[in-house]
Amino acid sequence: SQKIEQNSEALNIQEGKTATLTCNYTNYSPAYLQWYRQDPGRGPVFLLLIRENEKEKRKERLKVTFDTTLKQSLFHITASQPADSATYLCALLYNQGGKLIFGQGTELSVKP
Amino acid sequence: DADVTQTPRNRITKTGKRIMLECSQTKGHDRMYWYRQDPGLGLRLIYYSFDVKDINKGEISDGYSVSRQAQAKFSLSLESAIPNQTALYFCATSARTSGRDSDTQYFGPGTRLTVL
Repeated sequence: SQKIEQNSEALNIQEGKTATLTCNYTNYSPAYLQWYRQDPGRGPVFLLLIRENEKEKRKERLKVTFDTTLKQSLFHITASQPADSATYLCALLYNQGGKLIFGQGTELSVKP
Repeated sequence: DADVTQTPRNRITKTGKRIMLECSQTKGHDRMYWYRQDPGLGLRLIYYSFDVKDINKGEISDGYSVSRQAQAKFSLSLESAIPNQTALYFCATSARTSGRDSDTQYFGPGTRLTVL
């Protein structure tokens, strides 16, 4: 079965630095990959989507890359701020109209 | 008002009790989902429904049942709750479109369920 792995350890960085989170998957590549943000006690919120034929996608301070050779997506937050502190989830879709499969999430903490 | 609402937000119950969690949405989406979230395990799909007459089992459906009462309502039942069903439960919706950005999911605020 398909497995998705995200950094299990929390990532702690200093304000202003770039945070980089990793999402690795096994077996075959998804049609596309999404990143969500989840704050404590709340539901995940969609951030970005990248398709299998795209290498990179940007939105404001966020950047996502997708390497189907490495079977990996990287999620970057530049000029990080304490308000970026949250858990970030990657999710993969394997066919159009199918179900999302979520990773377990990585907790990010940005210190002032 | 929130687009996806869940009731109750918190529930404590005893082993063996029947519990129903409800989800309503005003987004007009056809697709609805129920997930549970446990520490370290991420979100796991329990059931999903692509329209009112379509119900499908997800990864961990044992011990759960669902009802899609209308396009906007999708409820999750635990027929006889057990302690290992203690978790955070989320409802989500997505649109059925042919566009490339379909399947973005919109989540409710969650229900924290404790089974003693």
